[in-house]
Amino acid sequence: GAGVSQSPSNKVTEKGKDVELRCDPISGHTALYWYRQSLGQGLEFLIYFQGNSAPDKSGLPSDRFSAERTGGSVSTLTIQRTQQEDSAVYLCASSLDGKSSYNEQFFGPGTRLTVL
Amino acid sequence: KQEVTQIPAALSVPEGENLVLNCSFTDSAIYNLQWFRQDPGKGLTSLLLIQSSQREQTSGRLNASLDKSSGRSTLYIAASQPGDSATYLCAVVTGANSKLTFGKGITLSVRP
Repeated sequence: GAGVSQSPSNKVTEKGKDVELRCDPISGHTALYWYRQSLGQGLEFLIYFQGNSAPDKSGLPSDRFSAERTGGSVSTLTIQRTQQEDSAVYLCASSLDGKSSYNEQFFGPGTRLTVL
Repeated sequence: KQEVTQIPAALSVPEGENLVLNCSFTDSAIYNLQWFRQDPGKGLTSLLLIQSSQREQTSGRLNASLDKSSGRSTLYIAASQPGDSATYLCAVVTGANSKLTFGKGITLSVRP
């Protein structure tokens, strides 16, 4: 079926506004990951979902960041009171089952967030 | 804490050359290692996945090797083409939650 999809592809917002980023994983994949790619920092892990629960949120940079996943499928990453340092590409990935660390992760095209 | 290093950061080669991209990681207790390709403004495309028990994987002109004990992997590209120009990222899974730790990538330019 289709790969991982993300929306929007680009988002420009003003400092202080809230934004929501969406990820649709590959159908049947129970594990979902959010990563952030920013200049100079490379790709960094944010949060991991297994089903609807998030056993690892260790990469979320501040309490302005939150994520949820419903129905074991779509996930939303929310950034409240955006700051300029939040500008980055946010990438979502899914894998068949996160409880097995041997599974391949498949990435979406990303959402480019620009905070003015 | 796992750290992944890719050196050099950029590489320029003439078309047709065989080349090797290097990746090193500090914690050898990995579950697997993935090589990705990223084109400008795009997401990541998975190229090869090597499980910790494997030594190498091949796909077309690409061959990736893994030496877990020394913390190294190489991506070999045979007969490079201008279409191979992209950033190549190496990433490993170390923990049970299967999150990836990435290197900063090598930006490859293949000159016609």
